[in-house]
Amino acid sequence: GAVVSQHPSRVICKSGTSVKIECRSLDFQATTMFWYRQFPKQSLMLMATSNEGSKATYEQGVEKDKFLINHASLTLSTLTVTSAHPEDSSFYICSADSSGNTIYFGEGSWLTVV
Amino acid sequence: GQSLEQPSEVTAVEGAIVQINCTYQTSGFYGLSWYQQHDGGAPTFLSYNALDGLEETGRFSSFLSRSDSYGYLLLQELQMKDSASYFCAVRDPYGGATNKLIFGTGTLLAVQP
Repeated sequence: GAVVSQHPSRVICKSGTSVKIECRSLDFQATTMFWYRQFPKQSLMLMATSNEGSKATYEQGVEKDKFLINHASLTLSTLTVTSAHPEDSSFYICSADSSGNTIYFGEGSWLTVV
Repeated sequence: GQSLEQPSEVTAVEGAIVQINCTYQTSGFYGLSWYQQHDGGAPTFLSYNALDGLEETGRFSSFLSRSDSYGYLLLQELQMKDSASYFCAVRDPYGGATNKLIFGTGTLLAVQP
Protein backbone atom coordinates (compact mmCIF):
# COMPACT_ATOMS: atom_id res chain seq x y z
CA GLY A 1 0.00 0.00 0.00
CA ALA A 2 0.88 3.64 -0.30
CA VAL A 3 3.32 5.00 2.23
CA VAL A 4 2.78 8.59 1.12
CA SER A 5 -0.79 9.73 0.68
CA GLN A 6 -2.06 12.85 -1.04
CA HIS A 7 -5.47 14.38 -0.71
CA PRO A 8 -7.51 15.30 -2.61
CA SER A 9 -6.71 13.28 -5.72
CA ARG A 10 -8.78 15.64 -7.82
CA VAL A 11 -10.10 19.08 -7.08
CA ILE A 12 -11.90 21.72 -9.08
CA CYS A 13 -11.96 25.26 -7.78
CA LYS A 14 -13.13 28.61 -9.00
CA SER A 15 -10.68 31.20 -10.18
CA GLY A 16 -9.63 33.47 -7.34
CA THR A 17 -10.18 30.95 -4.57
CA SER A 18 -7.58 28.98 -2.62
CA VAL A 19 -7.16 25.26 -2.47
CA LYS A 20 -5.16 23.10 -0.07
CA ILE A 21 -3.46 19.83 -0.93
CA GLU A 22 -2.20 17.52 1.80
CA CYS A 23 0.73 15.14 1.70
CA ARG A 24 1.04 12.60 4.50
CA SER A 25 3.72 10.05 5.23
CA LEU A 26 1.89 7.05 6.63
CA ASP A 27 4.58 4.70 7.91
CA PHE A 28 7.48 6.99 8.67
CA GLN A 29 8.40 10.44 9.82
CA ALA A 30 9.58 12.82 7.15
CA THR A 31 11.50 15.92 8.14
CA THR A 32 11.67 16.84 4.49
CA MET A 33 9.06 16.62 1.77
CA PHE A 34 9.12 17.92 -1.78
CA TRP A 35 6.42 19.42 -3.96
CA TYR A 36 6.46 19.03 -7.73
CA ARG A 37 4.21 20.37 -10.46
CA GLN A 38 3.67 18.62 -13.74
CA PHE A 39 1.87 20.05 -16.74
CA PRO A 40 0.45 17.62 -19.32
CA LYS A 41 3.11 15.84 -21.34
CA GLN A 42 5.89 17.61 -19.46
CA SER A 43 8.36 16.66 -16.80
CA LEU A 44 8.06 17.00 -13.06
CA MET A 45 9.30 20.40 -11.96
CA LEU A 46 10.41 20.84 -8.39
CA MET A 47 8.56 23.70 -6.74
CA ALA A 48 9.82 23.68 -3.19
CA THR A 49 11.33 21.74 -0.34
CA SER A 50 9.11 21.50 2.71
CA ASN A 51 11.03 21.47 5.98
CA GLU A 52 9.38 20.36 9.20
CA GLY A 53 9.30 23.17 11.71
CA SER A 54 10.85 25.78 9.44
CA LYS A 55 10.18 27.73 6.29
CA ALA A 56 9.98 26.01 2.95
CA THR A 57 12.72 26.52 0.40
CA TYR A 58 11.36 27.56 -2.96
CA GLU A 59 12.92 26.95 -6.35
CA GLN A 60 13.75 29.88 -8.54
CA GLY A 61 10.69 31.29 -10.24
CA VAL A 62 8.16 29.83 -7.82
CA GLU A 63 6.09 32.44 -6.00
CA LYS A 64 6.20 31.68 -2.31
CA ASP A 65 3.22 33.91 -1.57
CA LYS A 66 1.12 32.06 -4.10
CA PHE A 67 2.14 28.54 -3.18
CA LEU A 68 2.07 28.40 0.59
CA ILE A 69 3.73 25.40 2.16
CA ASN A 70 3.29 24.33 5.75
CA HIS A 71 5.07 21.38 7.35
CA ALA A 72 3.79 21.52 10.89
CA SER A 73 4.35 17.89 11.79
CA LEU A 74 6.70 15.08 10.85
CA THR A 75 3.99 13.36 8.83
CA LEU A 76 2.14 16.18 7.11
CA SER A 77 2.98 18.86 4.59
CA THR A 78 0.37 21.03 2.94
CA LEU A 79 0.48 23.05 -0.26
CA THR A 80 -2.03 25.86 -0.58
CA VAL A 81 -2.52 27.43 -3.98
CA THR A 82 -3.80 30.90 -3.24
CA SER A 83 -5.86 33.03 -5.59
CA ALA A 84 -5.85 30.23 -8.10
CA HIS A 85 -5.99 30.98 -11.81
CA PRO A 86 -6.64 28.66 -14.74
CA GLU A 87 -2.91 28.57 -15.52
CA ASP A 88 -2.37 26.95 -12.11
CA SER A 89 -4.29 23.92 -13.32
CA SER A 90 -1.81 21.10 -13.14
CA PHE A 91 -0.83 17.82 -11.52
CA TYR A 92 0.78 18.43 -8.13
CA ILE A 93 2.75 15.64 -6.52
CA CYS A 94 4.71 15.34 -3.33
CA SER A 95 7.55 13.09 -2.27
CA ALA A 96 9.10 12.28 1.07
CA ASP A 97 12.36 10.81 2.30
CA SER A 98 12.32 7.84 4.58
CA SER A 99 15.16 7.28 7.00
CA GLY A 100 16.37 4.53 4.70
CA ASN A 101 17.12 7.07 2.00
CA THR A 102 14.23 5.84 -0.11
CA ILE A 103 12.00 8.32 -1.88
CA TYR A 104 8.27 7.77 -1.81
CA PHE A 105 5.86 9.68 -4.02
CA GLY A 106 2.29 10.52 -3.27
CA GLU A 107 -0.42 9.59 -5.73
CA GLY A 108 -0.66 13.16 -6.98
CA SER A 109 -3.43 15.72 -7.05
CA TRP A 110 -5.09 17.04 -10.17
CA LEU A 111 -6.07 20.68 -9.81
CA THR A 112 -8.45 22.27 -12.27
CA VAL A 113 -9.19 25.96 -11.91
CA VAL A 114 -12.29 27.15 -13.72
CA GLY B 1 22.14 24.55 -13.24
CA GLN B 2 21.21 20.98 -13.84
CA SER B 3 19.77 19.66 -17.10
CA LEU B 4 18.88 16.17 -18.25
CA GLU B 5 17.90 15.58 -21.85
CA GLN B 6 15.90 12.64 -23.17
CA PRO B 7 14.23 11.84 -26.48
CA SER B 8 10.64 13.01 -26.34
CA GLU B 9 9.04 9.90 -27.81
CA VAL B 10 9.96 6.33 -28.64
CA THR B 11 7.79 3.73 -30.35
CA ALA B 12 8.40 -0.01 -30.34
CA VAL B 13 6.48 -3.24 -30.78
CA GLU B 14 5.62 -5.90 -28.25
CA GLY B 15 8.45 -8.27 -27.51
CA ALA B 16 11.10 -5.88 -28.77
CA ILE B 17 13.94 -4.18 -26.91
CA VAL B 18 14.06 -0.42 -26.54
CA GLN B 19 16.71 1.91 -25.18
CA ILE B 20 15.93 5.31 -23.69
CA ASN B 21 18.89 7.64 -23.44
CA CYS B 22 19.63 10.38 -20.95
CA THR B 23 22.42 12.92 -21.16
CA TYR B 24 22.99 15.17 -18.22
CA GLN B 25 24.82 18.27 -17.17
CA THR B 26 25.13 18.73 -13.45
CA SER B 27 27.50 20.59 -11.21
CA GLY B 28 27.72 17.57 -8.92
CA PHE B 29 26.65 13.99 -9.28
CA TYR B 30 25.19 11.44 -6.90
CA GLY B 31 23.95 8.84 -9.33
CA LEU B 32 21.26 8.49 -11.96
CA SER B 33 17.80 7.13 -11.27
CA TRP B 34 15.02 6.04 -13.59
CA TYR B 35 11.30 6.37 -13.01
CA GLN B 36 8.23 5.14 -14.84
CA GLN B 37 5.03 7.15 -14.85
CA HIS B 38 1.74 6.01 -16.29
CA ASP B 39 -0.64 8.71 -17.38
CA GLY B 40 -2.15 10.42 -14.35
CA GLY B 41 -0.14 8.42 -11.85
CA ALA B 42 2.79 8.81 -9.53
CA PRO B 43 6.35 8.07 -10.65
CA THR B 44 7.53 4.58 -9.84
CA PHE B 45 11.20 3.90 -9.14
CA LEU B 46 12.81 1.53 -11.62
CA SER B 47 16.56 1.60 -11.26
CA TYR B 48 19.57 3.46 -9.91
CA ASN B 49 23.19 3.70 -10.99
CA ALA B 50 25.76 5.25 -8.70
CA LEU B 51 28.75 3.81 -10.54
CA ASP B 52 29.58 3.12 -14.16
CA GLY B 53 28.19 0.00 -15.71
CA LEU B 54 25.01 -1.95 -16.08
CA GLU B 55 22.41 -2.63 -13.41
CA GLU B 56 19.85 -5.30 -14.19
CA THR B 57 16.43 -5.63 -12.60
CA GLY B 58 14.29 -8.16 -14.38
CA ARG B 59 13.29 -6.90 -17.82
CA PHE B 60 14.74 -3.47 -17.05
CA SER B 61 18.42 -2.59 -17.10
CA SER B 62 20.13 0.73 -16.66
CA PHE B 63 23.56 1.82 -17.73
CA LEU B 64 25.74 4.72 -16.65
CA SER B 65 28.90 6.28 -18.02
CA ARG B 66 29.98 9.12 -15.76
CA SER B 67 32.82 10.15 -18.06
CA ASP B 68 30.28 10.69 -20.86
CA SER B 69 27.56 12.14 -18.57
CA TYR B 70 25.27 9.60 -20.16
CA GLY B 71 22.99 6.83 -19.17
CA TYR B 72 20.25 4.73 -20.63
CA LEU B 73 17.36 2.55 -19.63
CA LEU B 74 16.93 -0.70 -21.50
CA LEU B 75 13.57 -2.39 -21.59
CA GLN B 76 13.45 -5.95 -22.88
CA GLU B 77 10.54 -8.17 -23.93
CA LEU B 78 8.31 -5.14 -24.20
CA GLN B 79 4.75 -5.48 -23.08
CA MET B 80 1.78 -3.24 -23.76
CA LYS B 81 1.75 -2.23 -20.09
CA ASP B 82 5.20 -0.71 -20.53
CA SER B 83 3.59 2.15 -22.47
CA ALA B 84 4.30 5.07 -20.17
CA SER B 85 6.57 8.04 -19.65
CA TYR B 86 10.09 7.37 -18.44
CA PHE B 87 12.23 9.90 -16.61
CA CYS B 88 15.84 9.93 -15.65
CA ALA B 89 16.64 11.90 -12.52
CA VAL B 90 19.60 13.09 -10.50
CA ARG B 91 19.86 14.22 -6.95
CA ASP B 92 20.33 17.96 -6.68
CA PRO B 93 23.90 18.43 -5.43
CA TYR B 94 22.76 21.53 -3.56
CA GLY B 95 19.93 19.67 -1.89
CA GLY B 96 22.03 18.77 1.09
CA ALA B 97 21.42 15.37 2.61
CA THR B 98 17.97 15.15 1.10
CA ASN B 99 16.62 13.34 -1.93
CA LYS B 100 15.80 16.47 -3.86
CA LEU B 101 15.39 15.15 -7.38
CA ILE B 102 15.82 16.92 -10.68
CA PHE B 103 14.00 15.11 -13.45
CA GLY B 104 14.86 14.75 -17.10
CA THR B 105 12.67 15.97 -19.90
CA GLY B 106 10.93 12.61 -20.11
CA THR B 107 10.37 10.04 -22.84
CA LEU B 108 6.95 8.82 -23.85
CA LEU B 109 7.17 5.15 -24.83
CA ALA B 110 4.42 3.76 -27.00
CA VAL B 111 4.34 -0.03 -27.32
CA GLN B 112 2.40 -1.27 -30.31
CA PRO B 113 0.97 -4.74 -30.88
